[in-house]
Amino acid sequence: GENVEQHPSTLSVQEGDSAVIKCTYSDSASNYFPWYKQELGKGPQLIIDIRSNVGEKKDQRIAVTLNKTAKHFSLHITETQPEDSAVYFCAVTGFQKLVFGTGTRLLVSP
Amino acid sequence: EAEVAQSPRYKITEKSQAVAFWCDPISGHATLYWYRQILGQGPELLVQFQDESVVDDSQLPKDRFSAERLKGVDSTLKIQPAELGDSAMYLCASSADRATNEKLFFGSGTQLSVL
Repeated sequence: GENVEQHPSTLSVQEGDSAVIKCTYSDSASNYFPWYKQELGKGPQLIIDIRSNVGEKKDQRIAVTLNKTAKHFSLHITETQPEDSAVYFCAVTGFQKLVFGTGTRLLVSP
Repeated sequence: EAEVAQSPRYKITEKSQAVAFWCDPISGHATLYWYRQILGQGPELLVQFQDESVVDDSQLPKDRFSAERLKGVDSTLKIQPAELGDSAMYLCASSADRATNEKLFFGSGTQLSVL
């Protein structure tokens, strides 16, 4: 089945810095790549997604880039704020199923 | 804003007991998912419904887990008997998409502890 690897597992930044989280996947037929944010005690919340026919997508301070050839995609958060602190999951639609990465704990210090 | 409702929020049970979780998806969402999330890991799909039909239950341990969505709206996930290794967060999600597994909206989950 689909294999999704996510790095780093933890990321600490100062407020105002940028944060980048990367994921790689195994199935070249995968065509949908969402990112979810999970705050403590809550379910994951979709924050941005991209399809395989698009290389980059932006929404205010967050952006996702996709490299289909290399089979990896990244989440970029600029001007980080303390409220960005959470666990972030990438996911990939493979074999008709949404498969999640292992998560990145982002800590933004004031 | 419409939300996926789940109950109970927390459940503590002893091994060998039966437990049940309930989920009410966003109104009009045809596709409903149950995921299990072990601490420190990403969610893993247990079962997927489209309307009242099971689309994928390949990862559901059918000897002890069952799921139903009788009228194609709310859903129940049951574990009988519960085992220590079942301790996890059980998440329900729904989507208006019928075939693409896109735009999933998650509930806040049920945190299960098996003692």
